[in-house]
Amino acid sequence: EIVMTQSPATLSVSPGERATLSCRASQSVSSNLAWYQQKPGQAPRLLIYGASTRATGIPARFSGSGSGTEFTLTISSLQSEDFAVYYCQQYNNWPPNTFGQGTRLEIK
Amino acid sequence: QVQLVQSGAEVKKPGASVKVSCKASGYTFTSYGISWVRQAPGQGLEWMGWISAYNGNTNYAQKLQGRVTMTTDTSTSTAYMELRSLRSDDTAVYYCAREVGIAAAGLGYFDLWGRGTLVTVSS
Repeated sequence: EIVMTQSPATLSVSPGERATLSCRASQSVSSNLAWYQQKPGQAPRLLIYGASTRATGIPARFSGSGSGTEFTLTISSLQSEDFAVYYCQQYNNWPPNTFGQGTRLEIK
Repeated sequence: QVQLVQSGAEVKKPGASVKVSCKASGYTFTSYGISWVRQAPGQGLEWMGWISAYNGNTNYAQKLQGRVTMTTDTSTSTAYMELRSLRSDDTAVYYCAREVGIAAAGLGYFDLWGRGTLVTVSS
């Protein structure tokens, strides 16, 4: 089974600053990697698919990069509504659709 | 309006079964698969399985094989997830999610989510 490892577990950043979140796969997932944002009491929301394509309605300050085993989600200038938990998910290999453990983005 | 509407919270005793529904609207139900993802309190996301709304094919997570059954009713655009022999560690919020598949086996990402159904297993 592919293991998705996210780092750091918690990231403290000030509003207006840049945040960089990492996701590593235990084996190559090509570009079949998605990112989700989850706020307390809410369902996850798709941000990025195909490693770098923003989902409909997602602001341009969110960007994804990487391929193979190393991926990055960058939020260029943090807004108050961006503080949440972020998950990566691979959909390349069986068993399908494994998630990372999440990165909590908190206000510094 | 494109949405997935899930059934309400459930409280079950250990050993019982639960069946959660997920009604789709605003899109062609049979054009996508539905996956079920659960989240235990304070924990991350766990994929449970997938069903094709087109032909009813399923793929389940290995750890749930034998306890979970996913079905659809295309006449009402509704997906169902039944989990049997409930244990305390099945306590979680259960989400249905529309899957944009890249292959027939249920590999894909989730572009539309239900709001979740809390299932509590307690004696």
